[in-house]
Amino acid sequence: QVQLQESGPGLVKPSQTLSLTCTVSGGSSSSDGFYWNWIRQHPGKGPEWIGYIFNSGGTRYNPSLKSRVTISLDTSKNQFSLKLTSVTAADTAVYFCARGVTTIGDYFDTWGQGTLVTVSS
Amino acid sequence: DIQMTQSPSSLSASVGDRVTITCQASHDINNNLNWYQQKPGKAPKVLIYDASNLETGVPSRFSGSGSGTVFTFTISSLQPEDFATYYCQQYNDLLTFGQGTRLEIK
Repeated sequence: QVQLQESGPGLVKPSQTLSLTCTVSGGSSSSDGFYWNWIRQHPGKGPEWIGYIFNSGGTRYNPSLKSRVTISLDTSKNQFSLKLTSVTAADTAVYFCARGVTTIGDYFDTWGQGTLVTVSS
Repeated sequence: DIQMTQSPSSLSASVGDRVTITCQASHDINNNLNWYQQKPGKAPKVLIYDASNLETGVPSRFSGSGSGTVFTFTISSLQPEDFATYYCQQYNDLLTFGQGTRLEIK
């Protein structure tokens, strides 16, 4: 059973870069039929998709965040990462990593537990 | 961008009730819609994919229907563990979630 676990700083200063890593266990990040996502959720709001990366390295990002986001994949470590630059208080949220599956349908079948990132000086 | 609008935003119901949630897309998304359940402090969990397909292991009291721009999600007989927030999510053009429907105990 695949499991995902987010890691990274819980506090980031305004204007700095938010960096998170998601470790994949119980499966391979290089398997076909999957894509690897970052999703965030502000308190009391619906989830907001940030972007994804395929095992080929191809990426797609939410247009509202595209200028500040980079998602990368390290298949040797079975990890994928998020970098969000020039953060403000509006980037304070719970950040989830999630696996997207495309073999049957197209949906998020596995999620990390989420990690709260606060942007504050 | 495709916007997803859920209604109602909150709903009070009792154990055994039948409840229905609606999700409307701003553009035609075919049947490219999923439904998730989220409990406080937890990640969302998929219940329905491709508008009407029940994810493996999900109880049959959950169902979904619709195509194009209007979709419905139904719980046929509410159980105590069903009180949670429900989200629709489209994947026809990038990925967008609805704002959620909070299902509370009456």
